[in-house]
Amino acid sequence: DAGVIQSPRHEVTEMGQEVTLRCKPISGHNSLFWYRQTMMRGLELLIYFNNNVPIDDSGMPEDRFSAKMPNASFSTLKIQPSEPRDSAVYFCASSSLQGWEKLFFGSGTQLSVL
Amino acid sequence: GNSVTQMEGPVTLSEEAFLTINCTYTATGYPSLFWYVQYPGEGLQLLLKATKADDKGSNKGFEATYRKETTSFHLEKGSVQVSDSAVYFCALSDRGTPLVFGKGTRLSVIA
Repeated sequence: DAGVIQSPRHEVTEMGQEVTLRCKPISGHNSLFWYRQTMMRGLELLIYFNNNVPIDDSGMPEDRFSAKMPNASFSTLKIQPSEPRDSAVYFCASSSLQGWEKLFFGSGTQLSVL
Repeated sequence: GNSVTQMEGPVTLSEEAFLTINCTYTATGYPSLFWYVQYPGEGLQLLLKATKADDKGSNKGFEATYRKETTSFHLEKGSVQVSDSAVYFCALSDRGTPLVFGKGTRLSVIA
């Protein structure tokens, strides 16, 4: 298996623009997580899905952030409009329900909002 | 709420030195504890885990023991290598909830 695949690896955009981050989880995994990593706050859980259904989005910072999982093999995290304080590394991770504590992370998307 | 506190880095060691990275936790229940490692340019990956008091997790020469009395899960390795240079994250999960991570500790090992 290729592992969790995220795209793009790097994204540079201007304030006010829409940003879409993409994630393909490992085939057969039922849970998908979006995390944000910054120097100040460390690794924060934004939202997670079980069987494509959002379970907890309490970590989503504002209404500017939204996430979808239209099927078992694809998820997006959208920021509209983007702001400089959104600059961070965004990670997607997946796990099976049986091995829920073993997360498999993608390589992340480095987002810079100018 | 649940939280994890790790020692601040960076930690710089010479090859073959002994490593300790401290981790303490706060949880309302009886959590499972984990150490994840992040190599440069990569996502995190599970290093080891322990699910109950006095359990010792181990992998790749790293060890950590679940100490309920001190609410700690310190990571240790007897002899570090340059290839161990990475960021190490302590984490917990309480009753099946998503992992809560510490802020990470950067380790640099020099030859």
